[in-house]
Amino acid sequence: EPEVTQTPSHQVTQMGQEVILRCVPISNHLYFYWYRQILGQKVEFLVSFYNNEISEKSEIFDDQFSVERPDGSNFTLKIRSTKLEDSAMYFCASKESESATNEKLFFGSGTQLSVL
Amino acid sequence: RKEVEQDPGPFNVPEGATVAFNCTYSNSASQSFFWYRQDCRKEPKLLMSVYSSGNEDGRFTAQLNRASQYISLLIRDSKLSDSATYLCVVKRGVGFGAGTRLTVKP
Repeated sequence: EPEVTQTPSHQVTQMGQEVILRCVPISNHLYFYWYRQILGQKVEFLVSFYNNEISEKSEIFDDQFSVERPDGSNFTLKIRSTKLEDSAMYFCASKESESATNEKLFFGSGTQLSVL
Repeated sequence: RKEVEQDPGPFNVPEGATVAFNCTYSNSASQSFFWYRQDCRKEPKLLMSVYSSGNEDGRFTAQLNRASQYISLLIRDSKLSDSATYLCVVKRGVGFGAGTRLTVKP
């Protein structure tokens, strides 16, 4: 089965530093997502991306966050100045379309971000 | 009211038991509903889509009640391997429930 790939699997950074989390969605997918999950808590939607622009974002996704699809394969999440509370598992996901038969979200295995 | 709310759990059941989870949603215009399964510190994986007519996949049955705005997941003949957190997802990947933790014990 095709996979969403995320790198790195674990990122450690100092508070105030910028981090970029990388994702390679499945090649024929058109919709891309970022989620985060703080340890022991629920999966939280951050942002969705379609047709080279943000289609929806949550309250969590403030000015410190940005997303980019710099080429035909990568989808990145940037946190400009990390805070301790940004420590979480970040999941990337993609799906082929929004038709009823192809709405399955494929998740990457996540990047564990630790802000010290 | 939260967009998606789930039974808080945890549910601890013996092998072979039948267990059901509910999930309520606030937006009556929601069209897409899913159940995902998440194992500890792993990514969520799609378990089932939920169709208006209800659907069954082996031991799993999902149902949608639009009038009361909830979806349900029924697991029959629970296996140890069913132990996981079950996430209700509404609105095309945006609305995630907090998850219901299921532990199946021997």
